[in-house]
Amino acid sequence: AQSVTQLDSQVPVFEEAPVELRCNYSSSVSVYLFWYVQYPNQGLQLLLKYLSGSTLVESINGFEAEFNKSQTSFHLRKPSVHISDTAEYFCAALPQGGSEKLVFGKGTKLTVNP
Amino acid sequence: DGGITQSPKYLFRKEGQNVTLSCEQNLNHDAMYWYRQDPGQGLRLIYYSQIVNDFQKGDIAEGYSVSREKKESFPLTVTSAQKNPTAFYLCASSRIPGQGVTEAFFGQGTRLTVV
Repeated sequence: AQSVTQLDSQVPVFEEAPVELRCNYSSSVSVYLFWYVQYPNQGLQLLLKYLSGSTLVESINGFEAEFNKSQTSFHLRKPSVHISDTAEYFCAALPQGGSEKLVFGKGTKLTVNP
Repeated sequence: DGGITQSPKYLFRKEGQNVTLSCEQNLNHDAMYWYRQDPGQGLRLIYYSQIVNDFQKGDIAEGYSVSREKKESFPLTVTSAQKNPTAFYLCASSRIPGQGVTEAFFGQGTRLTVV
């Protein structure tokens, strides 16, 4: 069975500092990978996704994630965070092919302090 | 605009009552999902459906029921058998494997509280 592990449940940082939210997955087959963001009392919004091709994927608001197959990781990074980035971030994996379902990590709560 | 709509946003239930949460999508997605979210536990899958009139149990289906009579709709009933129903419920939809990969789209959630 596949699983997704987000290594940090909470990450506090100061505004304009860099941040990395870690995600590792376990799967017997190749996977598609996603990062979602959730603001309080709202649904999840897609931040970025890796389907194929370049292992570095970027979002429109400055986040990026790199797929590392050898380390089975898909860490999320931003070089300089803003107060508005405060949210919960979820990593998810979907096996390629078949009828498997999307599997989520437990989430990382990012708090950006002034 | 295409999207996925959950209603109501807030719901209060007395102990022993069944309640139904609505989820509608106009994205023409075949797959629909219900997740439960509790603090620190991430998203746990309750039920999912990949085709009309068919659905499968997820990891925590006990105390819940669903139906899929229409492609657009996937209502979730929280029954009196669910001993701890207070939570945030999220509905999602996506294409099914074989139709090209897209991400799952989420509704805005329903917060259920037992009073």
